[in-house]
Amino acid sequence: NAGVMQNPRHLVRRRGQEARLRCSPMKGHSHVYWYRQLPEEGLKFMVYLQKENIIDESGMPKERFSAEFPKEGPSILRIQQVVRGDSAAYFCASSGLGVYNEQFFGPGTRLTVL
Amino acid sequence: DAKTTQPNSMESNEEEPVHLPCNHSTISGTDYIHWYRQLPSQGPEYVIHGLTSNVNNRMASLAIAEDRKSSTLILHRATLRDAAVYYCIQRGSNYKLTFGKGTLLTVNP
Repeated sequence: NAGVMQNPRHLVRRRGQEARLRCSPMKGHSHVYWYRQLPEEGLKFMVYLQKENIIDESGMPKERFSAEFPKEGPSILRIQQVVRGDSAAYFCASSGLGVYNEQFFGPGTRLTVL
Repeated sequence: DAKTTQPNSMESNEEEPVHLPCNHSTISGTDYIHWYRQLPSQGPEYVIHGLTSNVNNRMASLAIAEDRKSSTLILHRATLRDAAVYYCIQRGSNYKLTFGKGTLLTVNP
């Protein structure tokens, strides 16, 4: 049973470009969460999605950031017009049903903005 | 904001037990205690969780104080592969995991 998959593992962008981060949840999981870890800081919740629905995006920056989890295909975290402060590790997690279900994390995408 | 308090770092020797403490004085009756760990350059990994009773699994044991205001994660025999940041998370009926800074565990050979 493959775990949570994220790609790319490393992404380099210049200021002003777009970054697209992909996450494929574990088989059978329909809940996806995105977290961001800035250098030397803990992980911060960004957004929680189910298929075709954004359930909670309270941790997402108001501008330039968006997320989707389409009916088919991976979840996408999209950052438009990246700035240096967006450099971080972005982790995706998935879970099955049940609010206390453990979340399984992917290996992360490390975004570097030049 | 994280509701738990953990030491910044701890050190252990290989094959010795490790006790990682966590304070969660604001815990409510329905909050669970979850532990995750993050190895270098990897995503967090679930370790264990509990509500009131002590819990054991193949990775660790979780000892929860009677008043539930603190808990201890116990690694029975530390290995070099256990070197990681360990996060103690107080989790209510909420899907969000609120990570603090955790405890950096160093395991000496």
